[in-house]
Amino acid sequence: DTEVTQTPKHLVMGMTNKKSLKCEQHMGHRAMYWYKQKAKKPPELMFVYSYEKLSINESVPSRFSPECPNSSLLNLHLHALQPEDSALYLCASSRTGVNQPQHFGDGTRLSIL
Amino acid sequence: GENVEQHPSTLSVQEGDSAVIKCTYSDSASNYFPWYKQELGKRPQLIIDIRSNVGEKKDQRIAVTLNKTAKHFSLHITETQPEDSAVYFCAARGTASKLTFGTGTRLQVTL
Repeated sequence: DTEVTQTPKHLVMGMTNKKSLKCEQHMGHRAMYWYKQKAKKPPELMFVYSYEKLSINESVPSRFSPECPNSSLLNLHLHALQPEDSALYLCASSRTGVNQPQHFGDGTRLSIL
Repeated sequence: GENVEQHPSTLSVQEGDSAVIKCTYSDSASNYFPWYKQELGKRPQLIIDIRSNVGEKKDQRIAVTLNKTAKHFSLHITETQPEDSAVYFCAARGTASKLTFGTGTRLQVTL
């Protein structure tokens, strides 16, 4: 079964804190994604990594900083977030190549105080 | 960029009936169309996908049809069951090589 693991499941942080979200997959996928999902809305793409290189940045504010240290791991570093950044942050992965299905993790529910 | 519209936003059917959700897209170069099911508090789960060289695909009670000329695609669920209740998202992958999601359909299957 496909599996993308995200930690932590829940995170509450103040606007001055620094925290990181983590995502891990062991399916051999070389494309990894960060999405943001607000309540009752569809996922919105933030970043795409392909072969550990950033290939798409959807004009995301610099307070979100992605990192792909190796082919299995994807991090999202958070700093000086705003209350409107509260959302579910979803990680996904897929094979590279044309039209490969993306498989999502359970997400991190982030609340900014 | 790609724009995906999805209808209806809510759909209530009785158990055993069929459900149909429709999506339209704007980028004629889009060539991959997945459907995701998201239960409350859970991950979006891929349930079926279709590529532009195919007009229809079926997997048990679920089918997807694609009309490239009209730029629309639909999800059909037959013999609905209470566990089909969830939010369903269509998506399209266009020239920007990223998925654009529809706004979602909340399906409620009643007994």
